[in-house]
Amino acid sequence: GENVEQHPSTLSVQEGDSAVIKCTYSDSASNYFPWYKQELGKGPQLIIDIRSNVGEKKDQRIAVTLNKTAKHFSLHITETQPEDSAVYFCASSGGSYIPTFGRGTSLIVHP
Amino acid sequence: EAEVAQSPRYKITEKSQAVAFWCDPISGHATLYWYRQILGQGPELLVQFQDESVVDDSQLPKDRFSAERLKGVDSTLKIQPAELGDSAMYLCASSPRGAGGQSNEQFFGPGTRLTVL
Repeated sequence: GENVEQHPSTLSVQEGDSAVIKCTYSDSASNYFPWYKQELGKGPQLIIDIRSNVGEKKDQRIAVTLNKTAKHFSLHITETQPEDSAVYFCASSGGSYIPTFGRGTSLIVHP
Repeated sequence: EAEVAQSPRYKITEKSQAVAFWCDPISGHATLYWYRQILGQGPELLVQFQDESVVDDSQLPKDRFSAERLKGVDSTLKIQPAELGDSAMYLCASSPRGAGGQSNEQFFGPGTRLTVL
């Protein structure tokens, strides 16, 4: 089955800095790559997603890039704010439509 | 804004007892998922429904877990008997993806935090 690796497990930045989280996947049939933000005590919330026919997607301060050849995708957050502090999960799904999640990255933005 | 509803939000039980969780997906969403999330890890799929049918339950421990979505709307996940290792967050999600279609966004509920003593 699909295997998704996510790094780093913890990321600490100063307010205003950029944050980058990276994921790799194993199933070449995967074609949908969402990113979720999970705040304490809440369910994950989709923040951005990308499909395999696109290499990059942006939404304000958030961007995702996909390299299908290397089987990796990354989340970029610019101008980080304290409210960006949360756990971020990448996921992939494709041929089986069964989504596989990474282990999560705890992002801490210091004021 | 439509949301996925789950109840209860918290459940404390003793091992060997039975527990049940309920999920009401966003209206019109054909696909419903139950996940288990152990602290410090990502969600792991337990079962996926398309309408009232099970699409995948390969990761569901069927000796103690059961799930149903009888009318293709709300769903119940049951554990009997509960074990200490079942302590986790149980998340429900729904998606508008139809059978055979491409993967789409999943909308998650707030989860049920289960503690087994």
